[in-house]
Amino acid sequence: ILNVEQSPQSLHVQEGDSTNFTCSFPSSNFYALHWYRWETAKSPEALFVMTLNGDEKKKGRISATLNTKEGYSYLYIKGSQPEDSATYLCAFIDYNQGGKLIFGQGTELSVKP
Amino acid sequence: GAGVSQSPSNKVTEKGKDVELRCDPISGHTALYWYRQRLGQGLEFLIYFQGNSAPDKSGLPSDRFSAERTGESVSTLTIQRTQQEDSAVYLCASSFLEGGYTFGSGTRLTVV
Repeated sequence: ILNVEQSPQSLHVQEGDSTNFTCSFPSSNFYALHWYRWETAKSPEALFVMTLNGDEKKKGRISATLNTKEGYSYLYIKGSQPEDSATYLCAFIDYNQGGKLIFGQGTELSVKP
Repeated sequence: GAGVSQSPSNKVTEKGKDVELRCDPISGHTALYWYRQRLGQGLEFLIYFQGNSAPDKSGLPSDRFSAERTGESVSTLTIQRTQQEDSAVYLCASSFLEGGYTFGSGTRLTVV
């Protein structure tokens, strides 16, 4: 069984705070790591697809890093805004299991104005 | 189409009835995936199509669940003799090569 763990489970911050979440995944047979953002009543939206150890990706105020050797990825949000409130999901692809993503349980972020 | 389309968006059915959920992926996306999220749980993999074949059906919870895909396009997920534990949001996603998934807006299934 492949386990993808995310922490914390939920996070409540004030507008303007910077925050980060952790995703841990199996360090063997790594193929790719994805991050998604899922707002209530909407579809999950792809943020990043990461494939190389040491990858660092950025999209506006959101960035992510990847360490495949130790099996973790961090997602950072700088200067959180209320519209950042969502569940952030990471998902892992195992090299031997085709293209399917194994999702973590998500980190639910709530940003108060 | 521009996005992944799923229908119906909501379905309430009586226990024991069969239901069929439909997914229209983005044109040209060769891979198609079905997931579900039951209340309070994470996204659970059900089945994956590459073209019209399903190399990985390992997530289908029981033989009451089946799925097919035709013409490298539309996919249907069928649940026979529905049970209350089948209540969930069923999400379909498609992807091209190794890009991120594009998800549909899901079908919320309630079995009463």
